[in-house]
Amino acid sequence: DIVMTQSPDSLAVSLGERATINCKSSQSVLYSSNNKSYLVWYQQKPGQPPKLLIYWASTRESGVPDRFSGSGSGTDFTLTISSLQAEDVAVYYCQQYYTTPLTFGGGTKVEIK
Amino acid sequence: QLQLQLSGPGLVRPSETLSLTCTVSAGSITSSSYYWGWIRQPPGKGLEWIGSIYYSGSTYYNPSLKSRVTISVDTSKNQFSLKLSSVTAADTAVYHCARHLYDFYCFDYWGQGTLVTVSS
Repeated sequence: DIVMTQSPDSLAVSLGERATINCKSSQSVLYSSNNKSYLVWYQQKPGQPPKLLIYWASTRESGVPDRFSGSGSGTDFTLTISSLQAEDVAVYYCQQYYTTPLTFGGGTKVEIK
Repeated sequence: QLQLQLSGPGLVRPSETLSLTCTVSAGSITSSSYYWGWIRQPPGKGLEWIGSIYYSGSTYYNPSLKSRVTISVDTSKNQFSLKLSSVTAADTAVYHCARHLYDFYCFDYWGQGTLVTVSS
């Protein structure tokens, strides 16, 4: 199985400041034939199911604010919230879809400082 | 807008079988573009993929649960179902149903999720 490791487990950021979340896979999730990394980011607010934010490691889902961005390739990935808003308080998960079993990171809880 | 509605008991006895159904509305489960999946989340913990099914009945399971899991589809009712046998307290979790693309297994629509507690 591909193990997804997120860091940090939690972080507190002031409103308007940048939040950065890291995700590392135990093996590459880059598919050489199309040069795409099979990595997705979700946002989960309390009492709600996860919401798809970013796929192919860096493609924003329709309707997701542009303060959310994804980067990285291969085994190392980053989700950045450029200017944290109150509504961004949530747990963020990465997931690889390179192969089954699909596996998720442990989550990063983002709070307001 | 596509909706996925979960139904099933919230309490299951140890050693029994957990059964949940996800009903799809405002969309067809027979769309050739999608698989339909189950994911669970123990209280306060992360997400675990259980398995996925195509409308034809083709399935993928997480090997860690495969011996106890059956996922089925009923196209006449626009539903898919999960059965997890021989449950223990470790199976207590919020169970989610969700949709992913046929080719790319990231989940774009999720049901609300339901807590299933395993307890005598």
